[in-house]
Amino acid sequence: AQTVTQSQPEMSVQEAETVTLSCTYDTSESDYYLFWYKQPPSRQMILVIRQEAYKQQNATENRFSVNFQKAAKSFSLKISDSQLGDAAMYFCAYLWTGTASKLTFGTGTRLQVTL
Amino acid sequence: NAGVTQTPKFRVLKTGQSMTLLCAQDMNHEYMYWYRQDPGMGLRLIHYSVGEGTTAKGEVPDGYNVSRLKKQNFLLGLESAAPSQTSVYFCASSWGPKSYEQYFGPGTRLTVT
Repeated sequence: AQTVTQSQPEMSVQEAETVTLSCTYDTSESDYYLFWYKQPPSRQMILVIRQEAYKQQNATENRFSVNFQKAAKSFSLKISDSQLGDAAMYFCAYLWTGTASKLTFGTGTRLQVTL
Repeated sequence: NAGVTQTPKFRVLKTGQSMTLLCAQDMNHEYMYWYRQDPGMGLRLIHYSVGEGTTAKGEVPDGYNVSRLKKQNFLLGLESAAPSQTSVYFCASSWGPKSYEQYFGPGTRLTVT
């Protein structure tokens, strides 16, 4: 079974600084996707960024970028120029492109942004 | 488009009571999912459906039943609620095969006393 591990329960960053959230996963599959979801206090799950395993290039979305190390099974999220609105729970998730596209989530990292 | 909606948003049940959570999507998505979110455990898949009239078990299906009689609706039932089912429940949907983005509803907070 696939597993996703987020070893940082909480992180803190100052406004305008850069922070990196870590995620590792375990799978024997070769064709899969990795995601970072943001969950603010409103509870809504918001997709931040997506990485296809077959792509070597790291995904970027504005201030958000990933460091995807396929051999090491590592998928970290870098947030640049942190803003107060970035404060939230962040979940790493894995999806195998096989049956039913089911997501497996990590336990989450709570990010605090301070002035 | 309303996207994915969930009814109700909050509910308090007594142990042994039953209830049904409704998920509706207006995007004509083929796949639908029910997750539960507990503190420190992330989201875990309860049941899912790959099309109208089909359902399948996820990671934590015990104590729940589901039905997908209409493509746009996915119902999650608790026949005899237990305190261990106190959680936040999320519904999600996606287009189907080869489409990997799931769209989430706002969640339902359920407390079983």
